[in-house]
Amino acid sequence: QQQVKQSPQSLIVQKGGISIINCAYENTAFDYFPWYQQFPGKGPALLIAIRPDVSEKKEGRFTISFNKSAKQFSLHIMDSQPGDSATYFCAASELYNQGGKLIFGQGTELSVKP
Amino acid sequence: GAVVSQHPSWVICKSGTSVKIECRSLDFQATTMFWYRQFPKQSLMLMATSNEGSKATYEQGVEKDKFLINHASLTLSTLTVTSAHPEDSSFYICSRHAPGQGFNSPLHFGNGTRLTVT
Repeated sequence: QQQVKQSPQSLIVQKGGISIINCAYENTAFDYFPWYQQFPGKGPALLIAIRPDVSEKKEGRFTISFNKSAKQFSLHIMDSQPGDSATYFCAASELYNQGGKLIFGQGTELSVKP
Repeated sequence: GAVVSQHPSWVICKSGTSVKIECRSLDFQATTMFWYRQFPKQSLMLMATSNEGSKATYEQGVEKDKFLINHASLTLSTLTVTSAHPEDSSFYICSRHAPGQGFNSPLHFGNGTRLTVT
């Protein structure tokens, strides 16, 4: 059972454009939703995270939008740069009931063209 | 700098041999660490939760006798792939929570270990 579904699988954006990646989850007990960025041959690095008590969180060029009723959340990368080219993973966890175990989406390979 | 260190970063072994991967928490003592596996172009799949001083908790479908986890100290967890086969070739990544807030804090990941079994 895929608990976190991510789309698209790959994304090509022009430099300066907006990259949008979407995720949907099934488990209503999830209470923590981070996004990770991974470069080839490296471990994932935390970008930004949100809790279900807010609908949006912005950090620099990165924004998470969260829709609790629809069980969906998305990552927006504004003014996308070639250096943003990486694989992005959404994730979800039940912080207290499951010891913080993260369940990852399938990943989105982002390519930002100069 | 890195707060979770993995060693080795890559390893090649022959089929049937065992390989040990180390994961160190560099900046604080971690009672819980997580081991993930990632196949090429795929997502990260949780294998097990490593608990200091007690047995690891394995996810469904992960063979505990094949993937031995030892969390002998508060800064070191090890994953041993026993009797490795080519299908075990993968990217193994460990992680632990950021200090200070227990489970209510982000996960930091190591840089992974690329295992190739020939």
